[in-house]
Amino acid sequence: DAGVTQSPTHLIKTRGQQVTLRCSPKSGHDTVSWYQQALGQGPQFIFQYYEEEERQRGNFPDRFSGHQFPNYSSELNVNALLLGDSALYLCASRLGQFEGNTEAFFGQGTRLTVV
Amino acid sequence: GQQLNQSPQSMFIQEGEDVSMNCTSSSIFNTWLWYKQDPGEGPVLLIALYKAGELTSNGRLTAQFGITRKDSFLNISASIPSDVGIYFCAGPNYGGSQGNLIFGKGTKLSVKP
Repeated sequence: DAGVTQSPTHLIKTRGQQVTLRCSPKSGHDTVSWYQQALGQGPQFIFQYYEEEERQRGNFPDRFSGHQFPNYSSELNVNALLLGDSALYLCASRLGQFEGNTEAFFGQGTRLTVV
Repeated sequence: GQQLNQSPQSMFIQEGEDVSMNCTSSSIFNTWLWYKQDPGEGPVLLIALYKAGELTSNGRLTAQFGITRKDSFLNISASIPSDVGIYFCAGPNYGGSQGNLIFGKGTKLSVKP
């Protein structure tokens, strides 16, 4: 049973460019959340997708957008990249948006470097 | 807004030592989670706490949900080299689900030179 898989693992982009990161949730999971982890910090919640809609959003600008597909996989898009967007981007999946105390599983992350 | 404060920020361990770390918040949490993150990996859930006063163990790890609901502790007994990593406490943001978590800044565990 594959866990949460993210691609690519590493990415280098230039300031002003756009980037798309991808996430496949753990088998059986239908809810995907994205987090940004800057160096030396804990992960920060970006947004959550459930039933192909953005359901919750953290304190991130509109340059950060996402999508969830019918197979529950998800994409994170960042436009007009800034140097400060350099971070590890983590995807987490779980079953159900609010149901019970089901555990959220994290992928290994995508390391984005903006130069 | 909600914030989680972890201490210590870092610590050095010698094999066999017991380790303690804690996490505090100015607001109440109804769930406390402890994660470990190894270099180049995503966080892995170690222990989940759902009830004030709860004490839960996972092997050599023991965590407690403070009765005020504003703090939690993680203890590691008889540490081994593979315990090295960064430990994060986390909780649901504003009463939301585990899909929307707020994390502390982490406690980095390193081996004593």
